[in-house]
Amino acid sequence: GAGVSQTPSNKVTEKGKYVELRCDPISGHTALYWYRQSLGQGPEFLIYFQGTGAADDSGLPNDRFFAVRPEGSVSTLKIQRTERGDSAVYLCASSLNGGTGVRTDTQYFGPGTRLTVL
Amino acid sequence: KQEVTQIPAALSVPEGENLVLNCSFTDSAIYNLQWFRQDPGKGLTSLLLIQSSQREQTSGRLNASLDKSSGRSTLYIAASQPGDSATYLCAGGGSQGNLIFGKGTKLSVKP
Repeated sequence: GAGVSQTPSNKVTEKGKYVELRCDPISGHTALYWYRQSLGQGPEFLIYFQGTGAADDSGLPNDRFFAVRPEGSVSTLKIQRTERGDSAVYLCASSLNGGTGVRTDTQYFGPGTRLTVL
Repeated sequence: KQEVTQIPAALSVPEGENLVLNCSFTDSAIYNLQWFRQDPGKGLTSLLLIQSSQREQTSGRLNASLDKSSGRSTLYIAASQPGDSATYLCAGGGSQGNLIFGKGTKLSVKP
């Protein structure tokens, strides 16, 4: 079946601009996660959705970053007034039910969106 | 705050060798431990997921162990092959599944 897809695969923008990154999770997966990965680093957690609601947004670095998942499927990560330090690969992952504290489902990752802020 | 460390940062071995990748975490209250593989320019592929109640998981030539009390996990790769060359990432999971990653071990298997 289809995996997690992300669009665009590459995005180049100028400092100060607004960007939107899209994630299409695996069909039927209720949990959706956003991470970002800088060169030479492991992915860094940004935000977790369970259904339509953001269950944990503690990883968002500041209020320029915002994410939505209005219908519980596709999610969009929005970055306002982009800065050069926002340049990274933004990864999206989905899992069947997320975590319950007792059991956690495997996360399936998309190929990522490489964001470059000039 | 959970911190995950992976040693070594890079490893080069000849084909056929058995090898061990190490992962340590600071907070033993993790809910799961996951190992991923990342090929250059690609996303992550899940290899093994160990729930907090488990001690190890096996898949083919891969075996991962989890010792929460010592804050350690290992990934054992048997009979390594050039196709195993990639970066291997371990991640400790929170109660809702959000993952805290290490920086990875870059593995190179020479033919």
